[in-house]
Amino acid sequence: QKEVEQNSGPLSVPEGAIASLNCTYSDRVSQSFFWYRQYSGKSPELIMSIYSNGDKEDGRFTAQLNKASQYVSLLIRDSQPSDSATYLCAVHEDSARQLTFGSGTQLTVLP
Amino acid sequence: ETGVTQTPRHLVMGMTNKKSLKCEQHLGHNAMYWYKQSAKKPLELMFVYNFKEQTENNSVPSRFSPECPNSSHLFLHLHTLQPEDSALYLCASSQEAGQTRGYTFGSGTRLTVV
Repeated sequence: QKEVEQNSGPLSVPEGAIASLNCTYSDRVSQSFFWYRQYSGKSPELIMSIYSNGDKEDGRFTAQLNKASQYVSLLIRDSQPSDSATYLCAVHEDSARQLTFGSGTQLTVLP
Repeated sequence: ETGVTQTPRHLVMGMTNKKSLKCEQHLGHNAMYWYKQSAKKPLELMFVYNFKEQTENNSVPSRFSPECPNSSHLFLHLHTLQPEDSALYLCASSQEAGQTRGYTFGSGTRLTVV
């Protein structure tokens, strides 16, 4: 059974701080990794994808991947109240036909 | 609007009713998916269609019946549901199943079974 694990939270950080969201996965042959943001009552929205080891930066977001440790993280710099949402980690094995999602981490950025 | 449209947004149905959820994508994608999202649980994959052909059925009860008439449309037919089927049902699409660069989700249908 392939699994994607995330701390459910809630995670609270003050405005302007760095929020760190973590995800581990069990399938060693996973190749593609994604972070989705889901506001309450809304659908998931893709915010980051990463395919190789290391860091990938996009604005205030940085995704980090370590395949040896089977670990992917999302850093949000200068956190804003509008970043308050549930963040879903998703993992894809290229031979598979679907993404496997974690249960999400609820983030609250306090003004 | 994400390019994937789901209707209705909200649905309340009795256990003896028959209803259908509709999903339409305007992205030129060839793969479409139904997911179920219950509180505090990971997204559960239900069905996958690739080029109109069903490629995955994740042990979904027969009271859920999918239909994919073409690559742009996906339906989920519901009948004799149970209260535990109450959840957010999400449709998603991608360029092609197995070669994803991420999915685009619709806004979902919030289903309540009474």
